[in-house]
Amino acid sequence: DADVTQTPRNRITKTGKRIMLECSQTKGHDRMYWYRQDPGLGLRLIYYSFDVKDINKGEISDGYSVSRQAQAKFSLSLESAIPNQTALYFCATSEGKGMWSYEQYFGPGTRLTVT
Amino acid sequence: AQSVTQLGSHVSVSEGALVLLRCNYSSSVPPYLFWYVQYPNQGLQLLLKYTSAATLVKGINGFEAEFKKSETSFHLTKPSAHMSDAAEYFCAVSDQNRDDKIIFGKGTRLHILP
Repeated sequence: DADVTQTPRNRITKTGKRIMLECSQTKGHDRMYWYRQDPGLGLRLIYYSFDVKDINKGEISDGYSVSRQAQAKFSLSLESAIPNQTALYFCATSEGKGMWSYEQYFGPGTRLTVT
Repeated sequence: AQSVTQLGSHVSVSEGALVLLRCNYSSSVPPYLFWYVQYPNQGLQLLLKYTSAATLVKGINGFEAEFKKSETSFHLTKPSAHMSDAAEYFCAVSDQNRDDKIIFGKGTRLHILP
């Protein structure tokens, strides 16, 4: 079984709809991340969490919110989806120590299309 | 803030030729450095990492990278390209003095010519 899973894998939704992307991990890592990937722009960090009580904004958090329900679960929500949120979304986990984050382990991605 | 620059958004090499993907970073202290690979319709997979031990790092699938502090570079190489190496490659940096996250480059898509 995969260490980092994401659901759904594909989603098409309409403008204005609320949508939630879910991420679960079995690696036992405290740190979890949400990224979006757009062609030519690489990966951009949306939100990250270093433990259940710690949530931090990344570089492109506007229009998104997150919930860390447990060490193993980290959800990303789009409160009112808009077409420019069409992208490939990745969840990742890592270990870390203090300020250092070690290598990240990625889920398979969710392809979201907003029409 | 720390940053990562990957030279060339697309690189094409012939099968059997040397692969060289360039990565430069900005950091005030030696950081942790990573190379990831993304195959079509998949997530990112760690190829190799530098964590202040040996400057020449060997990874999976025959790839290696050399940390050069004087050049602030961490270029990825493979002596002989294989068709299965066609993918997108991302360089990333983690720098405790400036930030507590990993910053990714914009990626380089590697094309292998038959």
